[in-house]
Amino acid sequence: KAGVTQTPRYLIKTRGQQVTLSCSPISGHRSVSWYQQTPGQGLQFLFEYFSETQRNKGNFPGRFSGRQFSNSRSEMNVSTLELGDSALYLCASRPTGGAGNEQFFGPGTRLTVL
Amino acid sequence: DQQVKQNSPSLSVQEGRISILNCDYTNSMFDYFLWYKKYPAEGPTFLISISSIKDKNEDGRFTVFLNKSAKHLSLHIVPSQPGDSAVYFCAALPQGAQKLVFGQGTRLTINP
Repeated sequence: KAGVTQTPRYLIKTRGQQVTLSCSPISGHRSVSWYQQTPGQGLQFLFEYFSETQRNKGNFPGRFSGRQFSNSRSEMNVSTLELGDSALYLCASRPTGGAGNEQFFGPGTRLTVL
Repeated sequence: DQQVKQNSPSLSVQEGRISILNCDYTNSMFDYFLWYKKYPAEGPTFLISISSIKDKNEDGRFTVFLNKSAKHLSLHIVPSQPGDSAVYFCAALPQGAQKLVFGQGTRLTINP
């Protein structure tokens, strides 16, 4: 079974621009979560989607948004980019039901804001 | 405030010996704990988890211990192998929410 895939893997943008990142979960997984990793703040939860609905949201400004499609693929968007948005953005998917709560991560998208 | 803390930024262990990684948490509402391993430029890889109603879970070389009264968990790796060199993250799940709360990570180095 293929793992979580994220595109693009690397991205360079300038301040003020916007960016869209894409995530394809493991086949059959309907829950998709997004995380941001920075050297200063570590790994922080952005939001979680399930069946096209946002179920949980972290403490990030409204410039960070996301959505999920009917095939469970998800996108996140960051508008009006700031230097501090430079980070590794990770997507994780989770199987629905079952006994475990494990989330399986993709390789991430490295965003650099200049 | 840091709800999940890994107080050791790094740990160095000889190959074949036991590696013990520690994690403390402050929120009693966490009901599931997980350990992830991460290599540079890759996403975290799930290792092992434990429910808050248990005190031990074992999977091959990996064992996680949970001490709820002390709000402390630890990951034991026995025997340690060079391929175990990576950053290890402790994470916790609040009740009813799929939002992992991560510690800052511990860099484990296994020396030959």
